[in-house]
Amino acid sequence: QQQVRQSPQSLTVWEGETAILNCSYENSAFDYFPWYQQFPGEGPALLIAIRSVSDKKEDGGFTIFFNKREKNLSLHIKDSQPGDSATYFCAASASSGSWQLIFGSGTQLTVMP
Amino acid sequence: AQTIHQWPVAEIKAVGSPLSLGCTIKGKSSPNLYWYWQATGGTLQQLFYSITVGQVESVVQLNLSASRPKDDQFILSTEKLLLSHSGFYLCAWSLRGAGNTLYFGEGSRLIVV
Repeated sequence: QQQVRQSPQSLTVWEGETAILNCSYENSAFDYFPWYQQFPGEGPALLIAIRSVSDKKEDGGFTIFFNKREKNLSLHIKDSQPGDSATYFCAASASSGSWQLIFGSGTQLTVMP
Repeated sequence: AQTIHQWPVAEIKAVGSPLSLGCTIKGKSSPNLYWYWQATGGTLQQLFYSITVGQVESVVQLNLSASRPKDDQFILSTEKLLLSHSGFYLCAWSLRGAGNTLYFGEGSRLIVV
């Protein structure tokens, strides 16, 4: 059973456009949602994260929109650059007594110059 | 500043041979430690976590074992490799407690032939 789902599997945008990556989850106990960026051959790096008490989080050109009722969230990458081409993972965990961070299957983003 | 170092960077091993992967965290006292596995192009699957020296919890059974011999060291091993063990192994740390951000190392690439 896949607890965290991501879509689309791959996304291509032009330089300067806003890329929108989607994520949904099933477990109502999840209350922490980090997004990670991974380049080929490297470990994932934390990009931005949100807790369920908020509905929006911004950091530079990255914004998370969170809908607790619908159990989904999205990552918006504004003014995408070719250097943003990477795989993006949505993850989820429950802060009450769980040490599991569950990842989605990832979205491979390509930004065309 | 915290640093996380994984070794070896890459290995090619024969089926049936033993394996030992290591991870060291510097600059953070008593972190939670984690091992993840990633198939090529795939998601990250949590294998083990440890919240204190000498104590390791298994998340999935993949004929692997883990140990935490020191506060800053996490070891992943098996006595007999399978083809299915091929992939990217990632060590991560977080602050003590649940629901905290994970910070990943650069990973160890394993190819089993």
